[in-house]
Amino acid sequence: DAKTTQPPSMDCAEGRAANLPCNHSTISGNEYVYWYRQIHSQGPQYIIHGLKNNETNEMASLIITEDRKSSTLILPHATLRDTAVYYCIVRVPHSGSARQLTFGSGTQLTVLP
Amino acid sequence: DTAVSQTPKYLVTQMGNDKSIKCEQNLGHDTMYWYKQDSKKFLKIMFSYNNKELIINETVPNRFSPKSPDKAHLNLHINSLELGDSAVYFCASSDWGGRTDTQYFGPGTRLTVL
Repeated sequence: DAKTTQPPSMDCAEGRAANLPCNHSTISGNEYVYWYRQIHSQGPQYIIHGLKNNETNEMASLIITEDRKSSTLILPHATLRDTAVYYCIVRVPHSGSARQLTFGSGTQLTVLP
Repeated sequence: DTAVSQTPKYLVTQMGNDKSIKCEQNLGHDTMYWYKQDSKKFLKIMFSYNNKELIINETVPNRFSPKSPDKAHLNLHINSLELGDSAVYFCASSDWGGRTDTQYFGPGTRLTVL
C-alpha cells in the first residue's frame, strides 16, 4: 500500500468546511484513496473512497488531484461531533493476503465552538 | 441494531490469566478481523478470518488465538496475559467480494492487564 502523509492536527470552526489534506505521491494506478475516522473511544468509521473522480456522499466529499498524488477530504459543515482522528489510506481494493487496512497516524481534527 | 458488537467493553485482569473477547456482526459479511490499538494509538491488524481460512499477522504471539464458530462470530482468546497486552482491541467485518471493500468496526474492548 502506498505511503500517505497527513498533518498531525487541524482546527476548524463549527459550521465551516473542514478540509483535510492527504499526500500520496507514490500512489499506483490501481490504488484507491479511502478515508476513515475514529471518534474518541470508538471504532474507526468508513467515510468515503475514490479512484480518480471526485466523490460525494452524505458524510463528505473527496477531491483527488488530476495526478492523483494528493487528495482532500471535505466536511462541508463541520459540527462538534466531527472532532476525530481522520485516516487517509491508499490501497488496492480486495488486496493483501489479510485484506488488512494499514492505518497511519492520521489527522486530529478539532471542531471548535 | 448494532452492526458489529463486542463484549465486554472493558476487561481488567491480572497477569497470567486467560481471557476471551467476543465479536458478533449482523451485516451478513463473510470476513472478520481483529485489530489492536496500543497506547500510542496505532491500529494494527492481528488476524483476518474468511470462510474458515485464518490469516495471521506474523508478529502476533501464539498466545492469541482467534476462534470462529460461524461467519457471524469471531472471538479472540488470549492465554497467559502480559502487561504489554494492555490495549484496545477492535473487531471488524467486511464482505470479501464486496464492491467497496470497506470495513465496519466494533466499539472496541479496552483490556487492562495488571
